[in-house]
Amino acid sequence: RKEVEQDPGPFNVPEGATVAFNCTYSNSASQSFFWYRQDCRKEPKLLMSVYSSGNEDGRFTAQLNRASQYISLLIRDSKLSDSATYLCVVNKADSNYQLIWGAGTKLIIKP
Amino acid sequence: DAGVIQSPRHEVTEMGQEVTLRCKLISGHNSLFWYRQTMMRGLELLIYFNNNVPIDDSGMPEDRFSAKMPNASFSTLKIQPSEPRDSAVYFCASTLIPGIKGGYGYTFGSGTRLTVV
Repeated sequence: RKEVEQDPGPFNVPEGATVAFNCTYSNSASQSFFWYRQDCRKEPKLLMSVYSSGNEDGRFTAQLNRASQYISLLIRDSKLSDSATYLCVVNKADSNYQLIWGAGTKLIIKP
Repeated sequence: DAGVIQSPRHEVTEMGQEVTLRCKLISGHNSLFWYRQTMMRGLELLIYFNNNVPIDDSGMPEDRFSAKMPNASFSTLKIQPSEPRDSAVYFCASTLIPGIKGGYGYTFGSGTRLTVV
């Protein structure tokens, strides 16, 4: 089993719709969680950290479920510019600064 | 505030040649990570440094790869001799400990797209 698993997609979603991704992680001792966004032929960029209580940043909402060991990302009112690959990232449990990367979920927003 | 700066952006080289990739960290960051990304394998951690000291190089594919951090702001990744299977995008990223615990994550450079023919 991979340490971080994501549905690779692609998710084809009409503009304006709401879309959600889930990601599961294997090590219950992980403490830090992130969503990164990667555009085609670009570097990954931090989208948002995921906190235990859940957090929201504009149209983006991240949730953490420790009991089931998954994190989620919800995008409301999707825009064409949201088209990208979304990477789920979890810290390596015995490390303060090493991250484990999911393979990414590809999102395509269609007009 | 300058981000992580990598050079060159693109490199095309012949098999057997030496390749040197360069990375300048964000000022004040004390950890540097070299990653390789391919379609097949995704992002793979090659090596990381903390305060200029290599902490874990278990991801370095083989002896042909070496990395150095001669000072707090600069690192190189060298491949000698290069092979076609080394073709990938190489990213470096930096963070400030305890950046991850503080929710800061990593900041990536724009990457070097390496093609070995």
